Amino acid sequence: SQQGEEDPQALSIQEGENATMNCSYKTSINNLQWYRQNSGRGLVHLILIRSNEREKHSGRLRVTLDTSKKSSSLLITASRAADTASYFCATAPNRDDKIIFGKGTRLHILP
Amino acid sequence: DVKVTQSSRYLVKRTGEKVFLECVQDMDHENMFWYRQDPGLGLRLIYFSYDVKMKEKGDIPEGYSVSREKKERFSLILESASTNQTSMYLCASSLWGGLRTEAFFGQGTRLTVV
Repeated sequence: SQQGEEDPQALSIQEGENATMNCSYKTSINNLQWYRQNSGRGLVHLILIRSNEREKHSGRLRVTLDTSKKSSSLLITASRAADTASYFCATAPNRDDKIIFGKGTRLHILP
Repeated sequence: DVKVTQSSRYLVKRTGEKVFLECVQDMDHENMFWYRQDPGLGLRLIYFSYDVKMKEKGDIPEGYSVSREKKERFSLILESASTNQTSMYLCASSLWGGLRTEAFFGQGTRLTVV
């Protein structure tokens, strides 16, 4: 399988705390994206980071990319109840048109 | 806004039936994808298409086929449904491949095969 791996598989934190999720992938990439999935729904795009970028911000989201380690992290700052969801990283292995997702991290924000 | 529409939200079919899952996108996207999602396994790619009448196998194509006769429509076909194909099926589209642009997802079809 070409699937990447997110860790942890599940994460529970208090509202207001920061949440960090990690993604490791297996092949060289041009781009990496992160997606969110609310329970039982389709995925929604969060952020794209290109292989020549090391860090990218979007609102409360910060994504880093380390191509030498084939890994990426997603940081959500000042978490809110609405951030409760599953988070997936996506890669396009071997620079082709496939989009491969990892198994996801389930994030639960406690009130 | 880009819209990806899957024909059914919930579907119940009998073992051995031929099942069609339809997906339509309204933004002239080149690439379309079918995934299945199962607890603990994440999203697994079944098939994808990068142009009309073009298709490529993903990681788990066995038991499935696809059809893309028009650019906006990508159909997933279960030739003879089996209980191990009970799953959530997600369709997605993107303008370009290689993750150069974001993918847009449909709302999912929860298929139960009895």
